[in-house]
Parts: sequence; C-alpha cells; structure tokens
Amino acid sequence: AQKITQTQPGMFVQEKEAVTLDCTYDTSDPSYGLFWYKQPSSGEMIFLIYQGSYDQQNATEGRYSLNFQKARKSANLVISASQLGDSAMYFCAMRDGTGGFKTIFGAGTRLFVKA
Amino acid sequence: GAVVSQHPSRVICKSGTSVKIECRSLDFQATTMFWYRQFPKKSLMLMATSNEGSKATYEQGVEKDKFLINHASLTLSTLTVTSAHPEDSSFYICSARALDRGVMNTEAFFGQGTRLTVV
Repeated sequence: AQKITQTQPGMFVQEKEAVTLDCTYDTSDPSYGLFWYKQPSSGEMIFLIYQGSYDQQNATEGRYSLNFQKARKSANLVISASQLGDSAMYFCAMRDGTGGFKTIFGAGTRLFVKA
Repeated sequence: GAVVSQHPSRVICKSGTSVKIECRSLDFQATTMFWYRQFPKKSLMLMATSNEGSKATYEQGVEKDKFLINHASLTLSTLTVTSAHPEDSSFYICSARALDRGVMNTEAFFGQGTRLTVV
C-alpha cells in the first residue's frame, strides 16, 4: 500500500541557512513520482519539485533540491538560503500506478524561518 | 503555468442547505480532477477522483450521496455538499491533471481552495 511519512511536525531555520525536510515513502510499484508542495497560510498548494523513481539524478529547482535515496525510500527536500517567505507548510506527496494514479500526501511539516 | 480556478474561496451556509464548489481548468483540458478535504493543521485527504463523462470514484469512508461530484466537461468539475452540517466545515481543494501530459510525472495543478463554514 502507498504510504508517505513526514516525521517533523515543525522545523525552525535561521534566515539564509539551509534546511532539510524529511520524507519517507513506501510503495510496491517500481514506477512512481515524488512531489513536494508548499502551502502558505492562504491555503493554495504550490508545486515545488518532482522526482521520478527512474531518474538518475536528484531533482533541483532553484533553491530547492530533492535528496532522493531510493534504497532508503526517502525523498528529503533541501531548501538553501532560507528566506522569510519560505515560512509555510510543506507537503511531500507520491503518485504511483496503484489506485488510478492518485496522489497521496504526507502529514506535512511547518517551517518557520527566523530573521 | 497551468491555472486552476476554484470558486468560491469562502462560503458560509446554514445547516441543512447545499453548497456547490466549482473547479475550472482555465488554460488546459483536464480529464481527471481530484477533490481533497483538509482539516486545520492536517494534511490533504483525497475524497474522490473525478473523470470527465463518467461517475466519480470515491475514497473509502466518503459518502457519495453527501458529496456529489460532477465532471461534465474537460474544464469543469463541481463538488456539491448536500444538506451541510457543521461537521462538514473544512477546507476543500481541487486539483486537475492535464489531458495531454503524462500521468506520472506531471504535477497536478491546484485550485485556491474553498473554506466552507456551516453554521
């Protein structure tokens, strides 16, 4: 069965420093996609980064990078040079072939960036 | 990027009335739309998958007669909360997947969400 686990309910980081948000997953499907979304207080879901299960390299998008360790089934998000505007909820998500390619979400991590 | 518009953003209704929430893909065709419910400080819980021209597929524990989903066109899906009660108060958010893009590696585009309060 699909499962996404985010074990950090909240994280603090100093402005301009890097922070890693943890995510582990479980699936029996060899083909899957991993996503990270940011949800500010306004509620909208903002897509940040994607990693495919067959991708050889870790995904990067600007200040966001995904530390993909397939054997450990982890897909941690690294945010470099944190900014005050990065304070938000962050959700890790997964989609695989089971259940009609629906996306399931982890519990989320609230990130607080301190000035 | 692709835009999904969800309306209304906020709605307050009386207990016993029905509320309709619209989810529109503005610049792409969406064969599949998803409806999620989010409780405060919690994650998104998938309620149902909506496919254009066919009946929605509901997740276990979601009452299909309570949450009516219609996906009449490739750009519009609606969620109707029937006979709403205070326990239905929540944040509802839709997402849409583009017709011409891969199902695995395409991020689903999200609407802005609807905050429903039933009084």
